[in-house]
Amino acid sequence: KQEVTQIPAALSVPEGENLVLNCSFTDSAIYNLQWFRQDPGKGLTSLLLIQSSQREQTSGRLNASLDKSSGRSTLYIAASQPGDSATYLCAGRGDSGGSNYKLTFGKGTLLTVNP
Amino acid sequence: NAGVMQNPRHLVRRRGQEARLRCSPMKGHSHVYWYRQLPEEGLKFMVYLQKENIIDESGMPKERFSAEFPKEGPSILRIQQVVRGDSAAYFCASSPTGSDQPQHFGDGTRLSIL
Repeated sequence: KQEVTQIPAALSVPEGENLVLNCSFTDSAIYNLQWFRQDPGKGLTSLLLIQSSQREQTSGRLNASLDKSSGRSTLYIAASQPGDSATYLCAGRGDSGGSNYKLTFGKGTLLTVNP
Repeated sequence: NAGVMQNPRHLVRRRGQEARLRCSPMKGHSHVYWYRQLPEEGLKFMVYLQKENIIDESGMPKERFSAEFPKEGPSILRIQQVVRGDSAAYFCASSPTGSDQPQHFGDGTRLSIL
């Protein structure tokens, strides 16, 4: 059974700082790993998706890495802005049971960027 | 090009009533997934459906919960005889084909049980 853990649960940083969010998963047989952003009362916005064969993906100020052997992924946010404040969710897709359509989510990291 | 549409956005029910949550997938998407987010918990997979078929309902409680995705119309998640513990945000996602496509999420339905 896939389990996904995110640390820290909450993070508060001053504007302009670079930061790293961590995600770990127990079953390395993931199909891909996805990072989402969730604003209060809203749905999920996909930020980056890394296929199992890839090591990292970049989009603007965001960079996500994937290390299947260690069961870890990181989301790096450069030059943080107050508008980045949100909950960031990590989700692994698939497991060794073969259900590669099922997303397993962590509980998220609540990020606050202070002006 | 509308995204995944869920309605209602907020639903209040008294214990023992029925709750019906609707999800219209993105245009051209024939695969629908339902997830539940309990307070202070991560999103949990409930069920995966294709048109007129339930593919995997392993995450759905065995009693009181059912889901369908008819040939015409939205996917429906139905909860009978609701209890306080059913209070949660229910999210729907859709994808165009099978497992190799990203899932696109709706804004969710917040269900509150009085």
